[in-house]
Amino acid sequence: SAVISQKPSRDICQRGTSLTIQCQVDSQVTMMFWYRQQPGQSLTLIATANQGSEATYESGFVIDKFPISRPNLTFSTLTVSNMSPEDSSIYLCSVRGGQETQYFGPGTRLLVL
Amino acid sequence: KQEVTQIPAALSVPEGENLVLNCSFTDSAIYNLQWFRQDPGKGLTSLLLIQSSQREQTSGRLNASLDKSSGRSTLYIAASQPGDSATYLCAVSPPVTGANSKLTFGKGITLSVRP
Repeated sequence: SAVISQKPSRDICQRGTSLTIQCQVDSQVTMMFWYRQQPGQSLTLIATANQGSEATYESGFVIDKFPISRPNLTFSTLTVSNMSPEDSSIYLCSVRGGQETQYFGPGTRLLVL
Repeated sequence: KQEVTQIPAALSVPEGENLVLNCSFTDSAIYNLQWFRQDPGKGLTSLLLIQSSQREQTSGRLNASLDKSSGRSTLYIAASQPGDSATYLCAVSPPVTGANSKLTFGKGITLSVRP
């Protein structure tokens, strides 16, 4: 299994500002995934982050809005840029373990006013 | 395109009851199916993973079954407790590995176990 931590656990931000979310894994992993869960909805994949290369974004998500860093095999950051109230969500970091088991961090709960 | 459905969206049961949560998916070509638990405002905890070649997996009071041909999975919770109250999500992965192996999630079933 993998143990994942995220910072911050929650934040309240003003419209137009940016927030960077950190994700730390207790083991080296090739791929890290960033998900968004809007209120009352299921999870939507934002992007897949590989170490040493550009992140791969899903349809509807762009790098200017959600820049991602992946400086090493245990760490990644997701920035939510120029925030609006529609960005209020839980943001989740995830990794894949043995047998393609997916593990998730505790999430970052973001409220944009 | 794979679609995962979980019905009903919410369920309320008295403590001690055995219950079944359902998950259905449209494309039977899957690599595995995973059940997760999510507490309000929190991340997901992996409960059980069933490989496509398996029929069921058990962990404590939880038993998950998979019928790939009919596109269905069930999560059985025995002797439910108030601490089981949470949202339960199922997710399937396609029969590929690597970056193209993206999970498709259902919307979840919110379970409330009344004392």
